[in-house]
Order: sequence, then structure tokens, then C-alpha cells
Amino acid sequence: EAEVAQSPRYKITEKSQAVAFWCDPISGHATLYWYRQILGQGPELLVQFQDESVVDDSQLPKDRFSAERLKGVDSTLKIQPAELGDSAMYLCASSFFGSEKLFFGSGTQLSVL
Amino acid sequence: GENVEQHPSTLSVQEGDSAVIKCTYSDSASNYFPWYKQELGKGPQLIIDIRSNVGEKKDQRIAVTLNKTAKHFSLHITETQPEDSAVYFCAASMTNTGNQFYFGTGTSLTVIP
Repeated sequence: EAEVAQSPRYKITEKSQAVAFWCDPISGHATLYWYRQILGQGPELLVQFQDESVVDDSQLPKDRFSAERLKGVDSTLKIQPAELGDSAMYLCASSFFGSEKLFFGSGTQLSVL
Repeated sequence: GENVEQHPSTLSVQEGDSAVIKCTYSDSASNYFPWYKQELGKGPQLIIDIRSNVGEKKDQRIAVTLNKTAKHFSLHITETQPEDSAVYFCAASMTNTGNQFYFGTGTSLTVIP
């Protein structure tokens, strides 16, 4: 069964360092989402891509976060510099164009010390 | 924007009993309501969904009901089993506005053998 791949699974970093997360969506899924999930809360959208274009990044803290999907397939989310409040699970999801059914990866658990 | 509230935050039931999780939403334009199950260390997985033109949907032991007038929807799990233990999230979406999803805060369900 096809899955959304994310790496790394866990990341521990010190504040002010740079971190990067990678996501490879299910083949054929044109829409890709990055969500942040704080412990005990539901996922919150950071950025949505349609192919290589950003559709919605209104909730992305652009002073420190950046996301790209250069060839419209895999994607990278970067945080620079990391802050203590960035500790969370970062989830990637994908879907076929126009489909409401999201498929999530297992996420990257980030701890900022 | 949309606001989704979910109750209860924790729920314990005896194996074989039923479990009900309730969500309310604020924006009457929302028209798609999925439910996700998240097991420890994994990403959310879609388990059932309902559209605004349907009042009830059932899939084996799980069912979802929607009351558009009251703006609430519920997840019903019958004959619960220990493997149903997980965190469940509801979400609301307006599918004609780019599939922006708004998630509830989650319900941690424990099924006691």
C-alpha cells in the first residue's frame, strides 16, 4: 500500500539551529500539505502546495519557516532558527488534485532544547 | 475562519461497549467532515467521512451522524475492541475553497479489556 514518506522520524536540536524535514507524497498526489501538531491538539496547516506552487501559506511563520516543492513531487520544510516553541510533530499529507481525502505520513517529532 | 470543538477529550469504555465522540463547527459553509484515528507514533488515518448532503454513514462498527442545523457531527463506535484505543480527530472542510481543513483537539479513547 502506498504511503507518504517522511524523514527523519525524530529530530532533537538546540534553539537557534537550523532543521529540515523531508516528505515524499504518494505517487500521483498533486496536493501536498505540511501540518504542525502540538501535543494534545489537532493538526494545524502550515502550507499547502498544488504541484510546485504554494496555494496557502497564511499560517506559516515566514520569518523562520520556509517550504519548497521544486519539482512538484517531494517537499522540504525548513526552520531557521529553531525556537523552543517549535517543539511539535510535523506532519506531511497528500491527496489527489481536488480530492478531500488526505493521506498522512508518520510525521517528524521535533524537540528543541 | 472555521472553529471546530471536540468532546470529550478523554474517554474510557469497557470492551464491547459503545463510544461516542462529538464535534461542533461554526461555519455553515463547511461541507465535508472526516474523522481520523491516530495511533501512538503514527500520522492520522482517515476512518470515515461524511458530506453535508448526507445525515448518516456507517461502515461496519463505526458510524458518523451529521446535524447541519445544529452544526454538529458525531462518531459512533460499537462493540469496541482494545485495538480501537487511539486518539480520534474530527475535522471540517469547505471543499470548494481549496480543501482547508480545521481539526478538533482530539479524543483519547481507551478500551479496557
